Amino acid sequence: EVQLVESGGGLVQPGGSLRLSCAASGFTFTSYGMNWVRQAPGKGLEWVSYIRSSSSTIYYTDSVKGRFTISRDDAKSSLYLQMNSLRDEDTAVYYCARDRYSYGSIDYWGQGTLVTVSS
Amino acid sequence: DIQMTQSPSTLSASVGDRVTITCQASQHISNSLNWYQQKPGKAPKLLIYEASNLETGVPSRFSGSGSGTHFTFTISSLQPEDTSTYYCQQYDNLPPAFGQGTRLEIK
Repeated sequence: EVQLVESGGGLVQPGGSLRLSCAASGFTFTSYGMNWVRQAPGKGLEWVSYIRSSSSTIYYTDSVKGRFTISRDDAKSSLYLQMNSLRDEDTAVYYCARDRYSYGSIDYWGQGTLVTVSS
Repeated sequence: DIQMTQSPSTLSASVGDRVTITCQASQHISNSLNWYQQKPGKAPKLLIYEASNLETGVPSRFSGSGSGTHFTFTISSLQPEDTSTYYCQQYDNLPPAFGQGTRLEIK
């Protein structure tokens, strides 16, 4: 059974940093690209970032370029999102999501972790 | 960037009804489209991939069709557990984009 478990969310002040983690199990992690998708409270879904297997290709949505960094540790079957210079508008539930084909073709989602940016 | 426009935004229907949601892409995306179901407080769940393929384990009352720019999602006979928000999403071009969602309620 595919399982994706996020952690690392919490309350942070504007301008602060946070690192999200996602522990994957139930599939061969090295064979899949991975995504981060977020959902602001009461709003729709927004794709944030993608990393291909072996970290060979990385993409970001424009609003997080230069502030967020996606990475993976294949030995630990883990995905990460380092978030710096956080803004109020980054407040959201962040989902780790497995990719079926290439960027954004998501087939499995984690349960999400809430990031709140507020002073 | 490609824009995905879903309609309607909200929908109220009765158990047993046939329900249809449409999704329009601002550019041609071939069949690079998924449909997801999201219940309150839960993660989205993949229902339809590549516009018309039913994900394993998903009930056959759900279906999808379309190609290019116009797509349709249908529930053939609405069940009480289908109360959810439904999203279309394109993955043909960067950035991947979701529709704004359709909230489906049972009358």
